Amino acid sequence: NAGVTQTPKFRILKIGQSMTLQCAQDMNHNYMYWYRQDPGMGLKLIYYSVGAGITDKGEVPNGYNVSRSTTEDFPLRLELAAPSQTSVYFCASSYSGTKDTEAFFGQGTRLTVV
Amino acid sequence: AQSVAQPEDQVNVAEGNPLTVKCTYSVSGNPYLFWYVQYPNRGLQFLLKYITGDNLVKGSYGFEAEFNKSQTSFHLKKPSALVSDSALYFCAVRENQAGTALIFGKGTTLSVSS
Repeated sequence: NAGVTQTPKFRILKIGQSMTLQCAQDMNHNYMYWYRQDPGMGLKLIYYSVGAGITDKGEVPNGYNVSRSTTEDFPLRLELAAPSQTSVYFCASSYSGTKDTEAFFGQGTRLTVV
Repeated sequence: AQSVAQPEDQVNVAEGNPLTVKCTYSVSGNPYLFWYVQYPNRGLQFLLKYITGDNLVKGSYGFEAEFNKSQTSFHLKKPSALVSDSALYFCAVRENQAGTALIFGKGTTLSVSS
């Protein structure tokens, strides 16, 4: 049981390039989330999904897009990379969105935009 | 709006001494509170949660947390710290409705010296 798997682990992008951060979970969780982590700022929610075909914006969605075509996968797309998107990105999932459900996190993707 | 505050950026304790990492929250309605730990270059790991019932919640690795409704606090504690407890700790609250994501504090770095 792999849990939540993120690829790649590290990436350097040039300004204006695009890329997709991959996230897959094998726990049959309906809910999936993307967070970014910046030093001293905690985790900020970018997008989340409550099931296949359904996505919604979080606190900091600008510059990102997501899709959820299957229960297992929740890729995060950066279309025009900017230095402000340099961060560590975490994908997470939970069995349900009820208030008492904890989330499980991937190992993270460290992205640098230069 | 729901929010979480961790007033200390860093907590330093000696091995064998008790530790406390502070967290206060602001929610409308009943709070659902979580603690996560992050080791260097790793994702977040769930430690414990408070849903309802006993105000003292026990979790992984000997950690516990005390819920105090009058002080709107959910402090993480451990009776005897280990050097291996050194990590970044996050307090989180789930918004007071189903289908939403965890809101995280900024994190507190715990450093345990030998």
